This record gives sequence, C-alpha cells and structure tokens, in this order.
Amino acid sequence: GAVVSQHPSRVICKSGTSVKIECRSLDFQATTMFWYRQFPKKSLMLMATSNEGSKATYEQGVEKDKFLINHASLTLSTLTVTSAHPEDSSFYICSASESNYGYTFGSGTRLTVV
Amino acid sequence: GQQVMQIPQYQHVQEGEDFTTYCNSSTTLSNIQWYKQRPGGHPVFLIQLVKSGEVKKQKRLTFQFGEAKKNSSLHITATQTTDVGTYFCAGPGEDNQGGKLIFGQGTELSVKP
Repeated sequence: GAVVSQHPSRVICKSGTSVKIECRSLDFQATTMFWYRQFPKKSLMLMATSNEGSKATYEQGVEKDKFLINHASLTLSTLTVTSAHPEDSSFYICSASESNYGYTFGSGTRLTVV
Repeated sequence: GQQVMQIPQYQHVQEGEDFTTYCNSSTTLSNIQWYKQRPGGHPVFLIQLVKSGEVKKQKRLTFQFGEAKKNSSLHITATQTTDVGTYFCAGPGEDNQGGKLIFGQGTELSVKP
C-alpha cells in the first residue's frame, strides 16, 4: 500500500531558529499533500494544502510566513517552521492520497521549542 | 463554518464490552472516512463510506453512514486491548475541492483487561 515517510520524527530546537520537516510519498506520486497540527489529546487541525509546482493553500488563521511550505516535486513536500517559539511546539503530521480512497499519514514530527 | 462533531470524547470499557462512537456533520458529506490513531502513533485509514445508509464491516468493526449523509457511527463488538486508541471520523471540506479533510474531535477508547 501507499507509504508516506516523514522526517524527522522528533526535533528540539532553540527559540528563534527554523526547523524543516520533510514529507515524502515513497511509492506513489502526490500532487497534493496536507499538513496538520495536533495538540495533545486533540484532533488534527488542517494547516495547509501543499500543491506540487504552485503555492500552498493555507487555512484561515495559519500564518503563511511562519509556516513555509514547498512542494517542489511529486514526491516531496516540506514544512519549515520559521523563527520558532515555544508555542509552536506541537505534533506536525502530513498526509497524501494515492487514490480517492482514504489518506495515508506520515509518522509525524514532534517539535519542541526551548 | 463546517463542523464535524464526535461523541463521546472518551470511553472506558472492560475488555469484551462493546463500544460505539458517533459522528455528526453540520453539512451533507459526499463521503465519510474513519481513522484510528494508537497512542503515540499517527492516524491510520480504516474505511470510507460513500452511499446513503451504507453499512460496512471489518471483522468486529461495523461502520454506518446515515441516510442523510450527515452522520456516521463506528461500533466495535467485544473490544480487545488491541482496540485501544483514538478513533476519528473525517469528511471532505465544504467546497469539496483539493481533497482536504475536516476531522472530528475523536473518541479516545481505553480497554481494561
């Protein structure tokens, strides 16, 4: 089945630095990928839709200058958290779909900003 | 805006008891999807329902899609400790474009052996 690989799985960074998270579709091409944020014991909040070869579509309230998304190829989307602050600490997770039946999620990235 | 609501938020059961989680959408959905997230893990796709009134089974799991395509349920018969996790329903975004999903709040299931 479809596999989505996400790296890193955990990252600790200092406040003010930037962190890049990669999401790869390993055995299929994904023109669209989705980035979610999840707080402990909470649901998945869609942050943005990553579109291959064009600008990402951000959900209302998500700062596009803070959460930079690049989808340069059909198998790779990246999310960069710029000038990270402790309130950006969260679980970030990507997803993509090989078909119109269900989505495959990456294993997630737990970001801690100290 | 569009909302997908799920109840209950938590459910604690004794192993062998049944479990049900309910999902309601503020809008009619073209399909409803269910995902399971184990503690510390990521969501894993379980099933997608498309037709009004559809019922699908996966071993001890029974999924239903309401006649009005605004509600759904997941029922687990005779729960096992391996069923532990959070179950999410999700439906397509209101504009149904781009493939984005709106998730319910999830129901966290704990099973006491």
